[in-house]
Amino acid sequence: DQQVKQNSPSLSVQEGRISILNCDYTNSMFDYFLWYKKYPAEGPTFLISISSIKDKNEDGRFTVFLNKSAKHLSLHIVPSQPGDSAVYFCAASAGPTGNQFYFGTGTSLTVIP
Amino acid sequence: ETGVTQSPTHLIKTRGQQVTLRCSSQSGHNTVSWYQQALGQGPQFIFQYYREEENGRGNFPPRFSGLQFPNYSSELNVNALELDDSALYLCASRRGGATNEKLFFGSGTQLSVL
Repeated sequence: DQQVKQNSPSLSVQEGRISILNCDYTNSMFDYFLWYKKYPAEGPTFLISISSIKDKNEDGRFTVFLNKSAKHLSLHIVPSQPGDSAVYFCAASAGPTGNQFYFGTGTSLTVIP
Repeated sequence: ETGVTQSPTHLIKTRGQQVTLRCSSQSGHNTVSWYQQALGQGPQFIFQYYREEENGRGNFPPRFSGLQFPNYSSELNVNALELDDSALYLCASRRGGATNEKLFFGSGTQLSVL
């Protein structure tokens, strides 16, 4: 049972434009969410996180939005750069005693120069 | 600061064999998790070790086992390998036992079972 879903396997965006990557979850106990970026032959690299007590978190060009009522989060990248081309995973965990992260299947972002 | 390192990077085994994968956690991290990433899928949680004790396990059979050592490095052992065990195995470390700390991943071990 996939508790974290990324329904768009791929996304193409022009350089300089906004990239919006979406993620949905089913478990209402999830309270901590992260986005990771993965290049081929490398491990996932942490990008940005958000706690359920917030609805927005920004870090430079990256902003994550959380809509708890819709069980939906999104990652906005502005402006998009060719180096952002990678696979992006969202992940979620439940509570301070939870010990695992649940990952989505990833969205492959291509930023076209 | 040394990041998470995994060895070997690639491995080819035949069905029925046993394999051991190794991981050195990032400096200052006492919690290590192992994830399996099949082709086209997201990472799936195998188990987690905190201060040398397993403190969480995903939906994987007992032939997947692990260890954590006093220096917080870790091993993943898989017995009786099956074709479906072919995947990228990722080790991740973090501070503390709670999950509101981000994971730092190694580059993974690509296991192929023939």
